[in-house]
Amino acid sequence: GENVEQHPSTLSVQEGDSAVIKCTYSDSASNYFPWYKQELGKGPQLIIDIRSNVGEKKDQRIAVTLNKTAKHFSLHITETQPEDSAVYFCAASTSNFGNEKLTFGTGTRLTIIP
Amino acid sequence: KAGVTQTPRYLIKTRGQQVTLSCSPISGHRSVSWYQQTPGQGLQFLFEYFSETQRNKGNFPGRFSGRQFSNSRSEMNVSTLELGDSALYLCASSSDRGIGNTIYFGEGSWLTVV
Repeated sequence: GENVEQHPSTLSVQEGDSAVIKCTYSDSASNYFPWYKQELGKGPQLIIDIRSNVGEKKDQRIAVTLNKTAKHFSLHITETQPEDSAVYFCAASTSNFGNEKLTFGTGTRLTIIP
Repeated sequence: KAGVTQTPRYLIKTRGQQVTLSCSPISGHRSVSWYQQTPGQGLQFLFEYFSETQRNKGNFPGRFSGRQFSNSRSEMNVSTLELGDSALYLCASSSDRGIGNTIYFGEGSWLTVV
């Protein structure tokens, strides 16, 4: 089955700096790669996703890049703010009309230092 | 548009009891999946339902079961509870209209087994 590795497990950055979280996946058939942000006591909130036919996607301060050949994808947060502090999860799936199963990474605890 | 709604949010059960958790997906979403989140194992896929049929199942014992109703609402049941079943149980829904369907999570049900 699919295996997703996520690094680093913890990350501290100064407010205003950039943060990068990296994930690798094992199943070359995976075609959907979402990123979720989870705050304490809440469910995972989708912040951005990318499909295998796209190499990069950006939404304001958040961007995701995908390298299918190397089977890795990364989350980039620029101009970090205190409210960006949370646990971030990457995930992968072979979503295709009936395989709505996500395999998650182990999470990255991001702390923004004011 | 209302999000994924899960009830109850918090509950405490005794070993050996059973528990039923409920999930109402986003209106129009036909796929509902369940995940277990623990500090040790992270986010793990339990099962996924579509049109009242279980389409995918994770690696959990038979004590974990679920069902989906004609209105897409879903329930999951855990019988003969064990201490290790203490976790955050998350429900997610997607529209399942093609490749790379966006998956949205609810806030979860916190289960404590004592």
